[in-house]
Amino acid sequence: QKEVEQNSGPLSVPEGAIASLNCTYSDRGSQSFFWYRQYSGKSPELIMFIYSNGDKEDGRFTAQLNKASQYVSLLIRDSQPSDSATYLCAVIWDDTNAGKSTFGDGTTLTVKP
Amino acid sequence: KAGVTQTPRYLIKTRGQQVTLSCSPISGHRSVSWYQQTPGQGLQFLFEYFSETQRNKGNFPGRFSGRQFSNSRSEMNVSTLELGDSALYLCASGTSGGHLGQYFGPGTRLTVL
Repeated sequence: QKEVEQNSGPLSVPEGAIASLNCTYSDRGSQSFFWYRQYSGKSPELIMFIYSNGDKEDGRFTAQLNKASQYVSLLIRDSQPSDSATYLCAVIWDDTNAGKSTFGDGTTLTVKP
Repeated sequence: KAGVTQTPRYLIKTRGQQVTLSCSPISGHRSVSWYQQTPGQGLQFLFEYFSETQRNKGNFPGRFSGRQFSNSRSEMNVSTLELGDSALYLCASGTSGGHLGQYFGPGTRLTVL
């Protein structure tokens, strides 16, 4: 079993809808969680990070963390065609693995006009 | 602030050759991580350097090596290239623990013929 797993995708939503991207992880103690966006042919771009249980909002993006269920999700409200990209979930397990992000395989999102 | 820069952007080599890739992190970032991205394996961690010391290493053969200089710039070397080394090599910089996320350079696309 992979340490970080994401929806196999691809995911397609109409413009203006809410896109929901999910990620589960293996529990290995303290973790930090990240969402990255990668456009085709480009490098990953950090969207947001979350450490504590609950929701964290940044503009149209909301990250949700549930440590008891070992999942972290990303909600994109009012999805736009420009949000079409691959979304990568990443985990840094603890301080001994600082700088080492473990990535999921990504979920490709298409937002249709 | 200027972003992470990587040189060269594209490389074509033949089997058995060696290659050196360079990465300049964001000013003030002392952590530099290297990743390999391929369609089949996704983003795989190679190694991470902090203050000229390798703190973490991924599961790659010894042909893959790196170093970091006092100005935080980093180089990655791959010796005795194999066809399977063809990939996008990404460098990412971050603060000491990486817990605020990592910032990726544009990558070096390596093709081994």
